[in-house]
Amino acid sequence: GNSVTQMEGPVTLSEEAFLTINCTYTATGYPSLFWYVQYPGEGLQLLLKATKADDKGSNKGFEATYRKETTSFHLEKGSVQVSDSAVYFCALRGSSNTGKLIFGQGTTLQVKP
Amino acid sequence: DARVTQTPRHKVTEMGQEVTMRCQPILGHNTVFWYRQTMMQGLELLAYFRNRAPLDDSGMPKDRFSAEMPDATLATLKIQPSEPRDSAVYFCASGPRGQGARSSYEQYFGPGTRLTVT
Repeated sequence: GNSVTQMEGPVTLSEEAFLTINCTYTATGYPSLFWYVQYPGEGLQLLLKATKADDKGSNKGFEATYRKETTSFHLEKGSVQVSDSAVYFCALRGSSNTGKLIFGQGTTLQVKP
Repeated sequence: DARVTQTPRHKVTEMGQEVTMRCQPILGHNTVFWYRQTMMQGLELLAYFRNRAPLDDSGMPKDRFSAEMPDATLATLKIQPSEPRDSAVYFCASGPRGQGARSSYEQYFGPGTRLTVT
């Protein structure tokens, strides 16, 4: 079945450091891929998405490229800020039209000034 | 700015009591999802609806949980009787009508209901 695996956290970085959070997936067909972010005390917010191979999703300085050959969708940001401290979830939607998402376990990012 | 709303935001109740959580999806969205988030289990899908009809509730303990959509603007999740292990944050999310297999089917999450059962 479909599944998503994220790198374990917490990830602790200094401000302006480069961020990578790894995400790999297992799925049949052509899934859509997402990154969601959850700030403390809030619900999840869609950060970026990619719907087909080689697509690059980007938002707020974050980027992720849909790599079908490596079944990966790693999240990157060139220079993190304290305000980026949150939990990041990688997710996929399978090829069926149900709209159901499969989430990874989440990776906590803490950015120190 | 359209948002998913959930009530109540916080609920503390005693074991054995009935708990009802409500969700108002974004107007025009036709899919609604209920999730439960705990430190131990992470984010779990409990149930979801399309056009008000339940499509999958396999993640929900059937003996005590029930989910309904009495109309397009209201989804409810009920626990009866509640137990301490039900303590969690419950999220509702809604999604727009898809446009074929290439639709991304984004989900928009509400702020959650933090449930504590003592």
